[in-house]
Amino acid sequence: KAGVTQTPRYLIKTRGQQVTLSCSPISGHRSVSWYQQTPGQGLQFLFEYFSETQRNKGNFPGRFSGRQFSNSRSEMNVSTLELGDSALYLCASSLSLTGGSSPLHFGNGTRLTVT
Amino acid sequence: KQEVTQIPAALSVPEGENLVLNCSFTDSAIYNLQWFRQDPGKGLTSLLLIQSSQREQTSGRLNASLDKSSGRSTLYIAASQPGDSATYLCAVSVYSSASKIIFGSGTRLSIRP
Repeated sequence: KAGVTQTPRYLIKTRGQQVTLSCSPISGHRSVSWYQQTPGQGLQFLFEYFSETQRNKGNFPGRFSGRQFSNSRSEMNVSTLELGDSALYLCASSLSLTGGSSPLHFGNGTRLTVT
Repeated sequence: KQEVTQIPAALSVPEGENLVLNCSFTDSAIYNLQWFRQDPGKGLTSLLLIQSSQREQTSGRLNASLDKSSGRSTLYIAASQPGDSATYLCAVSVYSSASKIIFGSGTRLSIRP
């Protein structure tokens, strides 16, 4: 079974631009969650989607948004990029919502650099 | 506010030793606790998930325990190998109006051959 796939692997953007990251979950997984990982703040929860609906959201500004499609694939969008948005963005999929009995399966992430 | 702490931040031990990694959390109202490993430049790999009603889980050379009353979890690694070198993170899924997951900052483990 294929794992969680994130594209692209690396991105370089300029301040003020917007970016869209993509995540394909493991087949059969309906939950997709997104995380930001930085050296200073560690790994932080962004949001979670289940059956195309956002179920949970972390403490990030509205510039961070996402969506989930009927095939469970998910995209994350960051608008008006700031230097502080430089990070590794990870997506994870699971059979159940976070907090259930199913573990999270992570992709290898998208490394975003904002210049 | 839930806080998850992992001490020490880094640990180096010789190959073959048994070792324990620690994770503490401030609020016992959790759904579950998970242990992950992360290799440099990669995503996280799930090692063990312990439900709030459980006390421990085992997989191969790994054993994780959970004590909600004291807000502690340990990950025991038996007969360590160089391939176990990685950063180990614990994470708790918490009760809130929107269920979230809070990660510790990790313990960077190095196994010396």
